[in-house]
Amino acid sequence: QVQLVQSGAEVKKPGASVKVSCKTSGYAFTSYGISWVRQAPGQGLEWLGWISVYNGNTDYGQKVQDRVSVTTDTSTSTAYMELRSLRSDDTAVYYCARDNCRGSYCVFDIWGQGTKVTVSS
Amino acid sequence: DIQMTQSPSSLSASVGDRVTITCRASQTNSIYLNWYQQKPGKAPKLLIYAAASLESGVPSRFSGSGSGTHFTLTISSLQPEDSATYYCQQSYRTPYTFGQGTKLEIK
Repeated sequence: QVQLVQSGAEVKKPGASVKVSCKTSGYAFTSYGISWVRQAPGQGLEWLGWISVYNGNTDYGQKVQDRVSVTTDTSTSTAYMELRSLRSDDTAVYYCARDNCRGSYCVFDIWGQGTKVTVSS
Repeated sequence: DIQMTQSPSSLSASVGDRVTITCRASQTNSIYLNWYQQKPGKAPKLLIYAAASLESGVPSRFSGSGSGTHFTLTISSLQPEDSATYYCQQSYRTPYTFGQGTKLEIK
């Protein structure tokens, strides 16, 4: 079945970087995009960015665009999200989601289980 | 950025009740509006896409409607397993944005 399996929890110090992986299976990896969404403790959902697996095009949210990179490895059907210069307010659960465009409607139809990133000195 | 505003922020209802959650967009959004359900400690789950299309496998008691800037999610007969937080999300243009969420509790 279609699955997105993310890497495990991370604890980082302020100023460090974190790289979260999202291994996909059960579908044609290059036929869909991947988006990254985070959720701070007790808060709502924030979209961070997107990558077209087909051609590598990316688009990022303004809040993190100077610090985030989303990449893919088509040989392993894995997507990655790297966030640099971490701050305490980056503490959150980070989700990858399959970006499925059905005609002109794009939805996040399959999600990873989430990766908890804690930034603390 | 397109701002999404949900109401109410929380509500409590009984099993069998009809429940409606509203989502308003700050700019005209056509029908690029999706609804997700999130239970504690779990990833969000897609319920409704394109404002009114039911995702495969989602119970038919869930329905969506609306266009332009005003959208609604309706649960026709509330079940105990519907206790969750519900989010609307616009996919009209990036940055994709979500509403702040509506926490639904069962009395």
